[in-house]
Amino acid sequence: KAGVTQTPRYLIKTRGQQVTLSCSPISGHRSVSWYQQTPGQGLQFLFEYFSETQRNKGNFPGRFSGRQFSNSRSEMNVSTLELGDSALYLCASSLEGVRREAFFGQGTRLTVV
Amino acid sequence: LAKTTQPISMDSYEGQEVNITCSHNNIATNDYITWYQQFPSQGPRFIIQGYKTKVTNEVASLFIPADRKSSTLSLPRVSLSDTAVYYCLVGDPPYNNNDMRFGAGTRLTVKP
Repeated sequence: KAGVTQTPRYLIKTRGQQVTLSCSPISGHRSVSWYQQTPGQGLQFLFEYFSETQRNKGNFPGRFSGRQFSNSRSEMNVSTLELGDSALYLCASSLEGVRREAFFGQGTRLTVV
Repeated sequence: LAKTTQPISMDSYEGQEVNITCSHNNIATNDYITWYQQFPSQGPRFIIQGYKTKVTNEVASLFIPADRKSSTLSLPRVSLSDTAVYYCLVGDPPYNNNDMRFGAGTRLTVKP
């Protein structure tokens, strides 16, 4: 079955702009989590959605937001982009009720100039 | 919060067993320990998860002592394709992601 799909793969934006990233989870997975990966801070949890509701949230400013649709697809939005937002943004989906593996997408590489 | 510490890098040779240790002194009762492998330009890939004692699957073993303040990922007979970054994750995903912490990653280089 198809894996987690993230679009776009690469993105270049200017400071002050906003950006929306998309994630399609594995079919049947209702939990979708987002992560930011940078060389300096490593992998950091952004937020998790389940059944269209944000269930968990990491320690990021309000400029980072997300949502989940009824088909479990998820989007994350970053407003008023800063240079420090340049990172690989990863989405992962998991099967509810199974405290096990999360399946990651290949990520979206965001560069803010 | 469980701070997670692991070695920055390790070198090994093909056919050897590799053990990567992760320290997590403040692990909480509900936390699990999960290891991921990541290749360049790809998302992390699940290797193994455990709560206590020993867990083994077809690719790795995970050893967790009784106090759970550390864990060791064991990769038997590594090959060149095992060259990657390995991350230790302590937490209770997806039920409580707020307190989960990834280690900084261990860059494993397997040499011929």
